[in-house]
Amino acid sequence: DAGVTQSPTHLIKTRGQQVTLRCSPKSGHDTVSWYQQALGQGPQFIFQYYEEEERQRGNFPDRFSGHQFPNYSSELNVNALLLGDSALYLCASSSGPGQSRTGELFFGEGSRLTVL
Amino acid sequence: GDSVTQMEGPVTLSEEAFLTINCTYTATGYPSLFWYVQYPGEGLQLLLKATKADDKGSNKGFEATYRKETTSFHLEKGSVQVSDSAVYFCALRGSQGNLIFGKGTKLSVKP
Repeated sequence: DAGVTQSPTHLIKTRGQQVTLRCSPKSGHDTVSWYQQALGQGPQFIFQYYEEEERQRGNFPDRFSGHQFPNYSSELNVNALLLGDSALYLCASSSGPGQSRTGELFFGEGSRLTVL
Repeated sequence: GDSVTQMEGPVTLSEEAFLTINCTYTATGYPSLFWYVQYPGEGLQLLLKATKADDKGSNKGFEATYRKETTSFHLEKGSVQVSDSAVYFCALRGSQGNLIFGKGTKLSVKP
């Protein structure tokens, strides 16, 4: 049973460029959430996708956008990259939009983005 | 808004020592509480959880009790092993359903 898979694992971009990160959820899961984890910090919620729509969004600018495909996989796009966007980007999947109180999420290993 | 505060690390212990990592939270109502662990080079894994006051979550020898009086969810283990070396994150389920994490505590266990 494949867990959450993310690609690429590492990438380097320069300021002003655009980046796309990809995530395949755990088998049987239909909801994908994205988190940003800066060095030495805890993950921060970016947004959540369910039924191909953005359902919830954290405090991130519009430069951060996403998409969910019919097979439940998801992409995170970041435009006009800033140095401060350097971080580990984590994808998490769950069954349902995450409103259950148990709230268990399954995380991928992340994509480490470095912006120079 | 909702937030989680956990003790800063790094924490360095000898094998078989007792571990406590403090975690307190601020939230409306009684959110579900979690401890996640991040081993080197791996993603976050759920370690344990508690969904209501006085619940005790436990897994792999780790325990944490949901204390609404002190708004705390401290992580404990009676005898740590080298393999427990990792970063530990306390988290709560926010009002929107997303997870809100603390900054993490790095634990190093020496043989």
